Amino acid sequence: DAKTTQPPSMDCAEGRAANLPCNHSTISGNEYVYWYRQIHSQGPQYIIHGLKNNETNEMASLIITEDRKSSTLILPHATLRDTAVYYCIVRVWGDMRFGAGTRLTVKP
Amino acid sequence: NAGVTQTPKFQVLKTGQSMTLQCAQDMNHNSMYWYRQDPGMGLRLIYYSASEGTTDKGEVPNGYNVSRLNKREFSLRLESAAPSQTSVYFCASKEFDVTSYNSPLHFGNGTRLTVT
Repeated sequence: DAKTTQPPSMDCAEGRAANLPCNHSTISGNEYVYWYRQIHSQGPQYIIHGLKNNETNEMASLIITEDRKSSTLILPHATLRDTAVYYCIVRVWGDMRFGAGTRLTVKP
Repeated sequence: NAGVTQTPKFQVLKTGQSMTLQCAQDMNHNSMYWYRQDPGMGLRLIYYSASEGTTDKGEVPNGYNVSRLNKREFSLRLESAAPSQTSVYFCASKEFDVTSYNSPLHFGNGTRLTVT
């Protein structure tokens, strides 16, 4: 499995875009990039995933670099409710392994 | 449509006691997973079942057993609980076939287990 590296914490002002980076320099050609978040002590919530093209859904955008060695999750207009731990995972299928993630704090 | 349901929500055990954590999903998913999350840490995979009738070890399987009872249900058993197993346990499910191998995980809301 490709390992991922994320900053342990980030802050963002409410209403501004939150850009969460993830490095996955050993990613292989058929591995997808997934993003999940965990709000307080709830179960993790799926946000978005992609292979090599940029993806957008109602929650966020995922930007994957051309060499696929890193990606950025973008929350376009962060709200206080987006305060959570965000996990970047790289996997094809089978088991999905979570790292420590990035704790995003959205401030008023 | 309840998604992934875990029972119980909370449990306190004494060292050496046994118990089974239950998980059921109503999304007709093939794959199911058990994770544990210790305070301030990410999730660690205990066991998973890629499809009905199969189970595989994850990162931290020692001290646990699992049973894929049918397509809907995947249980986690602690035969002799230890304080090191105090944690929050999450069950998850996902589709798993050739056409949807990249589908996302859907999680339950967890079982909070304390072993004294």
